Amino acid sequence: QSVVTQPPSASGTPGQRVVISCSGRSSNIGKNYVYWYQQFPGTAPKLLIQRDNQRPSGVPDRFSGSKSGTSASLAISGLRSEDESDYYCAAWDDSLSGWVFGGGTKLTVL
Amino acid sequence: QVQLVQSGAEVKKPGSSVKVSCEASGGTFSNYVINWVRQAPGQGLEWMGGIISLLGKTNYAQKFQDRVRLTADESTRTAYMELSSLRFEDTAVYFCSSGYVGEGLDSWGQGTLVTVAS
Repeated sequence: QSVVTQPPSASGTPGQRVVISCSGRSSNIGKNYVYWYQQFPGTAPKLLIQRDNQRPSGVPDRFSGSKSGTSASLAISGLRSEDESDYYCAAWDDSLSGWVFGGGTKLTVL
Repeated sequence: QVQLVQSGAEVKKPGSSVKVSCEASGGTFSNYVINWVRQAPGQGLEWMGGIISLLGKTNYAQKFQDRVRLTADESTRTAYMELSSLRFEDTAVYFCSSGYVGEGLDSWGQGTLVTVAS
């Protein structure tokens, strides 16, 4: 059983707003920052959101992050075909003394 | 921002060991935690452990604690991950990733495919 859980899949049509959820525990999301990563097949993950809701330089403002309690969300507005990818949330877990990742969400742009 | 370049693909037999390198350029190597994350075929990301080169301090996921060894050489700005007693299920892409202490995994290497096959 994953310590952090995400829906395995999500979908939307171009221009739509899609939200991907990430549910954790008090020892991880409840206490520490959440990070979001985008990964295309055969490539390394790319940092998309840091410290719950901050976009690194170069990440479009269509991507936004939020957190409440032990849950976090990644929102993608103005969905584009190039957003079709896998998305992972991650947080440090104080109980495990290590990083925990969600299982990943495969986003399909219909 | 640091750039990370990993060593090439490996094919190993069950029971053997593999050592993957991760060379950093740019940034201050000693300021970073170098984490190792693996991804089995078709699966998600799994954190294995991290090392702070300046302190020589390591932190391992419990699952890998008995089989993984992380080291770092500041003179060559290279981190290493050695996984021993390889099993078929260790077949995966292994990534190194850097970040400041207390921060997330920022820059990522390109990944190294390790195949365990008899």
